Amino acid sequence: ETGVTQSPTHLIKTRGQQVTLRCSSQSGHNTVSWYQQALGQGPQFIFQYYREEENGRGNFPPRFSGLQFPNYSSELNVNALELDDSALYLCATRRDRENIQYFGAGTRLSVL
Amino acid sequence: DAKTTQPTSMDCAEGRAANLPCNHSTISGNEYVYWYRQIHSQGPQYIIHGLKNNETNEMASLIITEDRKSSTLILPHATLRDTAVYYCIVRAPEGAGNMLTFGGGTRLMVKP
Repeated sequence: ETGVTQSPTHLIKTRGQQVTLRCSSQSGHNTVSWYQQALGQGPQFIFQYYREEENGRGNFPPRFSGLQFPNYSSELNVNALELDDSALYLCATRRDRENIQYFGAGTRLSVL
Repeated sequence: DAKTTQPTSMDCAEGRAANLPCNHSTISGNEYVYWYRQIHSQGPQYIIHGLKNNETNEMASLIITEDRKSSTLILPHATLRDTAVYYCIVRAPEGAGNMLTFGGGTRLMVKP
């Protein structure tokens, strides 16, 4: 049990729609990172937030955006969904000065 | 971050030790070796990490060679529940750019 909760667990959307995925973590976990994992591949880094500011981003277009809230929860928003956005989306959090990231179980998004 | 090379798949008999190798020949002096595993359709689970000394915890042991160019994750008594994809990741200490760079990992199959 990592204390990182993601919702929903599964989601089906159609191409062109928008989606919001949510993540909540334990008190004191000030850093949150989001990853995309396509079927059969390792997770790919999307972006990271620290104290409500984005401070790192992978090779993902601007239609992937995020928010982090003071209560240690965060959101991943994806606009104009494409078929290739179908994947498992993972949230990972960590405490300040701790070198371990803790992952949630993920949200599986299917875009039809 | 340094790249890592792992075998694509390995088998292990239940009750025996599972030894998972990882090559990271371009590792820098301040980069740690992390191991995560991912059981089917779940989020990655942290196992262990180390800098240059061997490490052991309740899950596994990590053996890092003296030149730090390779390491081995050891599961001392593998069970069927250890069947998973194991990822070896090399990363600098926490700071800006918190991301974990996942490769393809090693698919470990523990057999009865």
